Amino acid sequence: GAGVSQSPSNKVTEKGKDVELRCDPISGHTALYWYRQSLGQGLEFLIYFQGNSAPDKSGLPSDRFSAERTGGSVSTLTIQRTQQEDSAVYLCASSLSGTGPYEQYFGPGTRLTVT
Amino acid sequence: AQKVTQAQTEISVVEKEDVTLDCVYETRDTTYYLFWYKQPPSGELVFLIRRNSFDEQNEISGRYSWNFQKSTSSFNFTITASQVVDSAVYFCALSEADTGANSKLTFGKGITLSVRP
Repeated sequence: GAGVSQSPSNKVTEKGKDVELRCDPISGHTALYWYRQSLGQGLEFLIYFQGNSAPDKSGLPSDRFSAERTGGSVSTLTIQRTQQEDSAVYLCASSLSGTGPYEQYFGPGTRLTVT
Repeated sequence: AQKVTQAQTEISVVEKEDVTLDCVYETRDTTYYLFWYKQPPSGELVFLIRRNSFDEQNEISGRYSWNFQKSTSSFNFTITASQVVDSAVYFCALSEADTGANSKLTFGKGITLSVRP
């Protein structure tokens, strides 16, 4: 079956521009996560969506970052006024939810480069 | 706060050697879950195993085995008879979540394994 897909795979943007990154989770997965992978910080949690509940935004590094999940499926991560330190690979993951945390399945990521 | 430490950063072995990747974790919870993920050069993280804190039995899957020891807060991963295709970055991760809560993963820094022919 189809895995988690993300688009675009690569994005180069100028400092100060806004970017949108998209994630299509595995069908039927109610939990969706965004992580960021960078050389200096490793893999960091950003935000979590579960069904219709309010998202857990505790990992977002600044108010320039926001995310939404429409219809309980597709999610978009938006970074406003991008800075060079935002350059990283942004990973989306989805999982089932229920008794205890299920394994998360990751997408291929979006490599963001801010020039 | 939860923390995962992978003290080894890079390991290089020759094919057919056995190799153990270490993982030490910190958590205040009595219920938690441990994971290993593989990130090959292609970049996509691949799930390998999930273990909950109440199950200390070691697990073997083909050439892979995992040793979970609560007494030392470790969850080590051994690859037997390594192969070139095992070359990747391996991440250990921890989740403290209970049912229905945020199961966010806290990752270690990863171990880069190179298997030479």
